[in-house]
Amino acid sequence: GENVEQHPSTLSVQEGDSAVIKCTYSDSASNYFPWYKQELGKRPQLIIDIRSNVGEKKDQRIAVTLNKTAKHFSLHITETQPEDSAVYFCAASLTGGFKTIFGAGTRLFVKA
Amino acid sequence: NAGVTQTPKFQVLKTGQSMTLQCAQDMNHNSMYWYRQDPGMGLRLIYYSASEGTTDKGEVPNGYNVSRLNKREFSLRLESAAPSQTSVYFCASSPRDLNTEAFFGQGTRLTVV
Repeated sequence: GENVEQHPSTLSVQEGDSAVIKCTYSDSASNYFPWYKQELGKRPQLIIDIRSNVGEKKDQRIAVTLNKTAKHFSLHITETQPEDSAVYFCAASLTGGFKTIFGAGTRLFVKA
Repeated sequence: NAGVTQTPKFQVLKTGQSMTLQCAQDMNHNSMYWYRQDPGMGLRLIYYSASEGTTDKGEVPNGYNVSRLNKREFSLRLESAAPSQTSVYFCASSPRDLNTEAFFGQGTRLTVV
């Protein structure tokens, strides 16, 4: 079955710096890769997603890149702000699938 | 617009007790899910319901049962709670399969003593 590994588990950056979180997946059939943000005590919420027919997607300060050959995808946050502090989860699933597999999460701290 | 609503928000059970976690969505989504979240382990799928009338096991189904009562409601039952079931439980829904965004409820923090 699918396995998703996420690194690092904890990331601390200064406000204004960039943050990068990396994930690898095992099932080459996976074709949908969402990223969720979970603030302390809150529910996970989708922040960006990418499908396997696209190599990169950007939404303001957030971007995701996908390398299908290497089976890894990354989240990039530029000009980080204190409100970016949260736990970020990557995930992988495939069309018609109901078993999205999540990474273990990355706790991001943005220091003011 | 409530989205996905779970009850209760907090619960403490004694080992061996039973309880049902309730979940309802008002977005007319076909698919609903139950996850558990444990420190350092991300979100793990317990059971899912692809559509009204169907349910299937996820990654960690042992010790749980589910009921898709109608299109809106999907409940999770613990028949005989164990300390290993101490966790935060999230219900989620999506329009169809998980190749689209999943919308999560606010979570239920369950402690089994």
